[in-house]
Formats: sequence, C-alpha cells, structure tokens
Amino acid sequence: GQQLNQSPQSMFIQEGEDVSMNCTSSSIFNTWLWYKQDPGEGPVLLIALYKAGELTSNGRLTAQFGITRKDSFLNISASIPSDVGIYFCAGLGNTGTASKLTFGTGTRLQVTL
Amino acid sequence: NAGVTQTPKFRILKIGQSMTLQCAQDMNHNYMYWYRQDPGMGLKLIYYSVGAGITDKGEVPNGYNVSRSTTEDFPLRLELAAPSQTSVYFCASSSLGVSGNTIYFGEGSWLTVV
Repeated sequence: GQQLNQSPQSMFIQEGEDVSMNCTSSSIFNTWLWYKQDPGEGPVLLIALYKAGELTSNGRLTAQFGITRKDSFLNISASIPSDVGIYFCAGLGNTGTASKLTFGTGTRLQVTL
Repeated sequence: NAGVTQTPKFRILKIGQSMTLQCAQDMNHNYMYWYRQDPGMGLKLIYYSVGAGITDKGEVPNGYNVSRSTTEDFPLRLELAAPSQTSVYFCASSSLGVSGNTIYFGEGSWLTVV
C-alpha cells in the first residue's frame, strides 16, 4: 500500500516558538489533510488542501500542498500550550474516494512554558 | 452539534467474546468508515461504506464485520475477539460535497482483549 513518511516523530519546543512538520509520499495524492488528535479524543481536521502548490492558513496554522503532489508541510507559528497533541497528515489517492485515504504515523508535539 | 457518535468509549473483552461498536452520524453523510489506531501508529482502514446497503473491505478487515442498513448508522462487529484486536477504534464519515472528501471522526472506542 501507499506509504506516508511523517517527520519529525516528536518535537519538544518552548512556548512562542514556530513549528514545522512534513509528510512525504512515494505516490501522488490529490488531497492532503492535516489532523490534530488530543489525548483520548478522535482526530480533528485542521486544514484541507486540494491543489498542488496550494497554501492555506487557519489562524496560526499554515499548510502547503507540494508542487510534486508527493509532499505537504504544516507550520504552527507562535506555539501555545494548547497546541500539544499528535498531528497527522493524510493523503487521498487517485481513486477519488475517501476509502484510499492514507495516514502518516503522526508528529507528537510537546510545548513547554 | 453531535457529528459522529461512537459507543462504548471503553470496553474490555475476553478472548473469544463478541461485541458491536456502534457509530451514528447526523450530518447526512454518504460515506462512513471504521479505522483502528494502534499505539504510536497512524489510522488503518478496516471497512467503509459508500451508502446504505453498501459496504467494502479496507486495509485490515479480518476479524470484523459491518452493516449499513441506514445512512446514519454503521456498526462494527467483532465476532471472536483476539488480543491482536486490542486497539482504539474510530468511526468517521464524509460527504462528497463542495468541501471534497474531508473526513470527520468520532471520539474513539478503546477496546482491550484479554
């Protein structure tokens, strides 16, 4: 099956710092999604990207759909304690159906005061 | 604002027992999914459904069964629980509307098989 490599696996940062994480794939995706999962909760959609090169912001979060359609990154600016959690990327393949959504293994973010 | 609702939240099963995880969505979404998430891993698709009466296997369907008798409900059944099925299970739904195939998740069901 398709593989998504997400990095870094974990990050420990201080409040106020900027964060960057990315996902790369061996296959082309038509859609990239970024989710955040808090402990004991289900993933919550942060940003959805639908076109190669697309750059989308949601508050302090910015995500981009790579030109090659094989990668995406998520930036968080001026981190705050509530940013703590696990961030997942997910890519939707050429079939156009959500059944082919592939998830990355997640980036665990810890924010210290 | 119910969205996707899963029950139970936590369950402990003995090896060989059966149980059903319930999932309901109130967004009139056509697509529904069941994923499992093992520790430190991403989500893997178990089964999915594109509409009432239609289901199909995902990446890891063995040991599970589903049904979709209504648009709202998509229960997941474990017939003979095994320790390998200890995991967190997430139900999700999506629409093929303007926003594309974005998926919304339930809060998860923690299952332990002992």
